[in-house]
Amino acid sequence: AQSVTQPDIHITVSEGASLELRCNYSYGATPYLFWYVQSPGQGLQLLLKYFSGDTLVQGIKGFEAEFKRSQSSFNLRKPSVHWSDAAEYFCAVGETGGYNKLIFGAGTRLAVHP
Amino acid sequence: DTAVSQTPKYLVTQMGNDKSIKCEQNLGHDTMYWYKQDSKKFLKIMFSYNNKELIINETVPNRFSPKSPDKAHLNLHINSLELGDSAVYFCASSQFGTGDEKLFFGSGTQLSVL
Repeated sequence: AQSVTQPDIHITVSEGASLELRCNYSYGATPYLFWYVQSPGQGLQLLLKYFSGDTLVQGIKGFEAEFKRSQSSFNLRKPSVHWSDAAEYFCAVGETGGYNKLIFGAGTRLAVHP
Repeated sequence: DTAVSQTPKYLVTQMGNDKSIKCEQNLGHDTMYWYKQDSKKFLKIMFSYNNKELIINETVPNRFSPKSPDKAHLNLHINSLELGDSAVYFCASSQFGTGDEKLFFGSGTQLSVL
């Protein structure tokens, strides 16, 4: 069965510091991989996605993620965090060719110190 | 213009009541979803409709009944509400088969059952 693990429940970084949020997935074939961000009281917004091709994908708001098949990982990175990046981040895996039945990780809450 | 809109945003009700949450999308998508986010922020798919046809039905109590009058609307009716139904319910939509499947989420309906 598909699953997604986000090992870090809560991360705190200083504004301007670099960020890496971890995501590991379990899926038999090549997965569709997504990172979503949820600001307080808001719905989820797509940051970036990986379907195929270049394993380093660029997203919105300066985020990027790298798909590493050998490690079953899809970690999210940002070189310099802004206070407005404080939010909940969700990694998700979807079935290729399926109806977007996304399996979400438990989320990582990011706090940013000034 | 809101792409995926849900009403109401907040819903407080007593155990045993019946309530509905409405969802509309103006993106022209053919697939809509209901996700449930529990108190620990864990997101899990409940239902999905493609062109008004039910295609995903996870293990959800039959007190929950989705209804799709047309492909722009997917409503969720809940009978005999229980305390454990308290959660945030997110509606989402996507267009299947584009090769760029991604979900657009509504801002959520926070349901509190007292």
